[in-house]
Amino acid sequence: GAVVSQHPSRVICKSGTSVKIECRSLDFQATTMFWYRQFPKQSLMLMATSNEGSKATYEQGVEKDKFLINHASLTLSTLTVTSAHPEDSSFYICSARDLGQAYEQYFGPGTRLTVT
Amino acid sequence: KQEVTQIPAALSVPEGENLVLNCSFTDSAIYNLQWFRQDPGKGLTSLLLIQSSQREQTSGRLNASLDKSSGRSTLYIAASQPGDSATYLCAVSDNNDMRFGAGTRLTVKP
Repeated sequence: GAVVSQHPSRVICKSGTSVKIECRSLDFQATTMFWYRQFPKQSLMLMATSNEGSKATYEQGVEKDKFLINHASLTLSTLTVTSAHPEDSSFYICSARDLGQAYEQYFGPGTRLTVT
Repeated sequence: KQEVTQIPAALSVPEGENLVLNCSFTDSAIYNLQWFRQDPGKGLTSLLLIQSSQREQTSGRLNASLDKSSGRSTLYIAASQPGDSATYLCAVSDNNDMRFGAGTRLTVKP
């Protein structure tokens, strides 16, 4: 099956610094990638949708200047959390959609971000 | 905007019981519905994907049904085992994105 990787799997950073998370589709081309955030004991909340070569579409309440998304190629999307604060600590999961597979989304293993 | 609801929020059963998890969604214009399993602190494991034209999918002890017109899906787990303990998430996709329910936290007691 299709595989999506995320790197890093876990990151701890200090308040005020920026963190970049990578999401890669390993064996298919993903014209659309999605970024989700999950707080403890809550479900996944969609943050933004990114299409290759165009600007990301952010969900209401998600600050686009704080969560920078770049989808520069058909296999790579990055999420940069800028000037991170403790309240940004969360589990970030990306997914990629292969249009050749009837809109099925494939999920990465997630990145645990802790801001101290 | 699509809203997905899962009932119950939590469920505890003794080992061996058959059980049903429920999922409802507000907009029937979907491409597919997917059930996932999530263990604590881990990512998602896809269990079953039902296309909008299908009514059910089966994998081992799991059976998922879809009634698109009424906006409902059920996940049936037969002969539950302690290893089935996890959070089960229902998600629906349209041409734009995928929306998740809040999940059902299942505990199967030995």
